[in-house]
Amino acid sequence: GNSVTQMEGPVTLSEEAFLTINCTYTATGYPSLFWYVQYPGEGLQLLLKATKADDKGSNKGFEATYRKETTSFHLEKGSVQVSDSAVYFCALSDPNSKLTFGKGITLSVRP
Amino acid sequence: NAGVTQTPKFQVLKTGQSMTLQCAQDMNHNSMYWYRQDPGMGLRLIYYSASEGTTDKGEVPNGYNVSRLNKREFSLRLESAAPSQTSVYFCASSPGQGKLGYTFGSGTRLTVV
Repeated sequence: GNSVTQMEGPVTLSEEAFLTINCTYTATGYPSLFWYVQYPGEGLQLLLKATKADDKGSNKGFEATYRKETTSFHLEKGSVQVSDSAVYFCALSDPNSKLTFGKGITLSVRP
Repeated sequence: NAGVTQTPKFQVLKTGQSMTLQCAQDMNHNSMYWYRQDPGMGLRLIYYSASEGTTDKGEVPNGYNVSRLNKREFSLRLESAAPSQTSVYFCASSPGQGKLGYTFGSGTRLTVV
């Protein structure tokens, strides 16, 4: 079956540091890949997505590239802000649109 | 604002009580989902409805029932609440095409004592 593996957390960074959050997946066929963000006390929001190999999703300074050869979709940001503190979930979608989520990782950014 | 609305936001139940969590979406989406979120476990799918009139079990359906009342509404019922059902519950909807992802509600924080 489908699965998503995220790096262990939590992650604590200083403001303006570079961020990488690793995500790898196992799936049959050609899934779509997503990053969701959950701010404290809120529901999940779609951050970015990529629907085919070599696509790059981007939003709010975050980027992730769909790498089929390494089955990865790592999230990056060049300079994090305190307001980026949240829980980040990697997910994949099968053709029937059911999402499989990773366990999430908590990011804390210090001023 | 268009989106997914969940009620209530908070609820405390005693063991054995029943309750229904309500979810409604106004985006004309075909598919709707119920997840629970627990520390260290990520999101786990309880039930889903691929289209109006259909429902299917997800990863953790035991102790829950669902009703897809119409295209807009998808409710989750706990018939006899247990402390193990203490969690944050999220409803989500999607157009039903894999490339478009989900829209989530803001969640219901349920405590069973």
